[in-house]
Amino acid sequence: GQQLNQSPQSMFIQEGEDVSMNCTSSSIFNTWLWYKQDPGEGPVLLIALYKAGELTSNGRLTAQFGITRKDSFLNISASIPSDVGIYFCAGRAQGAQKLVFGQGTRLTINP
Amino acid sequence: ETGVTQTPRHLVMGMTNKKSLKCEQHLGHNAMYWYKQSAKKPLELMFVYSLEERVENNSVPSRFSPECPNSSHLFLHLHTLQPEDSALYLCASSQGSGRGSGETQYFGPGTRLLVL
Repeated sequence: GQQLNQSPQSMFIQEGEDVSMNCTSSSIFNTWLWYKQDPGEGPVLLIALYKAGELTSNGRLTAQFGITRKDSFLNISASIPSDVGIYFCAGRAQGAQKLVFGQGTRLTINP
Repeated sequence: ETGVTQTPRHLVMGMTNKKSLKCEQHLGHNAMYWYKQSAKKPLELMFVYSLEERVENNSVPSRFSPECPNSSHLFLHLHTLQPEDSALYLCASSQGSGRGSGETQYFGPGTRLLVL
């Protein structure tokens, strides 16, 4: 079935650093979503992308729908301690009904 | 109350018990979903309901039984579970039909289930 490859699996950074993570698929997608999950909680939607090339920001977060429609990127600028958590990408392939999820990127920040 | 709520937040049950998980969405959405999240695995879709009709069952064992009495409520009835069923069970809802087009899903906080 359709799979997403999300990388990196984990990141250990210093407070204040910028963060980049990405998700790639083997087929063309028409929707990309980025979620953040805190320990013991459900994923919370951060950014939704519906158009190739779309660049959308949510505060210090910026996500892009790749031009090839097979990838998406999430950037976090000037990280702060509350950015710690697991970030998931999710997407829907063209013609598919199901939303598929990446394996997640675990972000750890050293103060 | 806003968003998607789930109760209980934590549940410990024996393999012979019967319990139910409850989800309620306050977003006026038409579709609701159950997911299973196990450690170090991607989210696994279990069931999809669209306007109270089950539209997807992802080869889930019969010891999990969903129920959707109306578009705001979703239940997951559990019986004779196995220890490997221990996981975080997440409910989500979306505006559309749940059948694919342009769905953005909003998640509840989850129920952490431990089967002994």
